[in-house]
Amino acid sequence: KAGVTQTPRYLIKTRGQQVTLSCSPISGHRSVSWYQQTPGQGLQFLFEYFSETQRNKGNFPGRFSGRQFSNSRSEMNVSTLELGDSALYLCASSLAASPTGYGYTFGSGTRLTVV
Amino acid sequence: GDSVTQMEGPVTLSEEAFLTINCTYTATGYPSLFWYVQYPGEGLQLLLKATKADDKGSNKGFEATYRKETTSFHLEKGSVQVSDSAVYFCALISNTGNQFYFGTGTSLTVIP
Repeated sequence: KAGVTQTPRYLIKTRGQQVTLSCSPISGHRSVSWYQQTPGQGLQFLFEYFSETQRNKGNFPGRFSGRQFSNSRSEMNVSTLELGDSALYLCASSLAASPTGYGYTFGSGTRLTVV
Repeated sequence: GDSVTQMEGPVTLSEEAFLTINCTYTATGYPSLFWYVQYPGEGLQLLLKATKADDKGSNKGFEATYRKETTSFHLEKGSVQVSDSAVYFCALISNTGNQFYFGTGTSLTVIP
């Protein structure tokens, strides 16, 4: 079956612009979460959605937002981009929230560069 | 809060050497523990996991044992190969099951 698909793979934006990243989960998966990966801060949790509802949010400014559609596809948006937003953004999907971590699959990520 | 502390890298080993990457954690309740691997330009791939104390996760020659008494989940492999060169992340999942906490990652380079 198809894995988690993130588009685009690479993106270059100018400081002050906004950007939208997309994540298509594995078919049937209803939970989608997002992570930011940077050399300085490592992997940090952004937010998690289940059935179009945001259930958990990490410690990021309000410029970072997301949503999930009825088909479970998710988008995240970053407004007023800053140089420090340059990162690899990873999406993970699962059937449901699972304390055992069963069934989580990560996508290959979107590499965002802010210039 | 929950957190993971991972051995700093980078680590460079010769082929067939023994590998240990240390990982300790702090968590409320009884988390599940994971090792993920990331190859250049790619996302995270699950290497192994353990869901309760004393469980041993294993995959592709890698092993890690969930030690509740020492809050540790160290990764080991008896004989590394050049193809094992990657970044390794230790992680735990929250009690609610919808957030991973990752260590800082350890870069491993295996030279022939």
